[in-house]
Amino acid sequence: DAKTTQPTSMDCAEGRAANLPCNHSTISGNEYVYWYRQIHSQGPQYIIHGLKNNETNEMASLIITEDRKSSTLILPHATLRDTAVYYCIVRVYQAAGNKLTFGGGTRVLVKP
Amino acid sequence: GAGVSQTPSNKVTEKGKYVELRCDPISGHTALYWYRQSLGQGPEFLIYFQGTGAADDSGLPNDRFFAVRPEGSVSTLKIQRTERGDSAVYLCASSLGSTGGSEQFFGPGTRLTVL
Repeated sequence: DAKTTQPTSMDCAEGRAANLPCNHSTISGNEYVYWYRQIHSQGPQYIIHGLKNNETNEMASLIITEDRKSSTLILPHATLRDTAVYYCIVRVYQAAGNKLTFGGGTRVLVKP
Repeated sequence: GAGVSQTPSNKVTEKGKYVELRCDPISGHTALYWYRQSLGQGPEFLIYFQGTGAADDSGLPNDRFFAVRPEGSVSTLKIQRTERGDSAVYLCASSLGSTGGSEQFFGPGTRLTVL
């Protein structure tokens, strides 16, 4: 699986949009971009994934550049409960059997 | 519905002892994963089950670690002759497998402390 690079930490203001960048310059054509987050003392939680088109769900939006070498996770209106470590993961999509390879993630602190 | 559950939530043991950690996946999920997370780091893959069989155990650090899933649902991670370096949070995840999407659902983890 391709390696990803994320900032170590970032702060954002409650109620504002949080934009989390991720670089994955060695991504292959059949690899998807996944985002998970881990709130303190909990297991990781799936957020969203995409291949090349922008994706949106009830939690977030995922913007993938045209060359697919980078992406941005957008939390449209950050709340204090969004404080967590966010992991960007690149992997081949398949129904099962493909382990997740976590990097260090971005530690996001949402401030009032 | 019920999510992935893990027991115990905390386990303290002494160096050299044997421990078992249990994972109850979401009902109907055929794929089950174990990960280990050390303080300040992301989770690291240990082993993956599809049904009852271990399809990928490449992440198990050594032969002190073993996992089973005899009936294709509950799984137990077993650690023999524990060492202080085994202290970590052990996470279990499950997914639908071949019948659905690849999203993995994680349990809250078991915090293992080896004294």
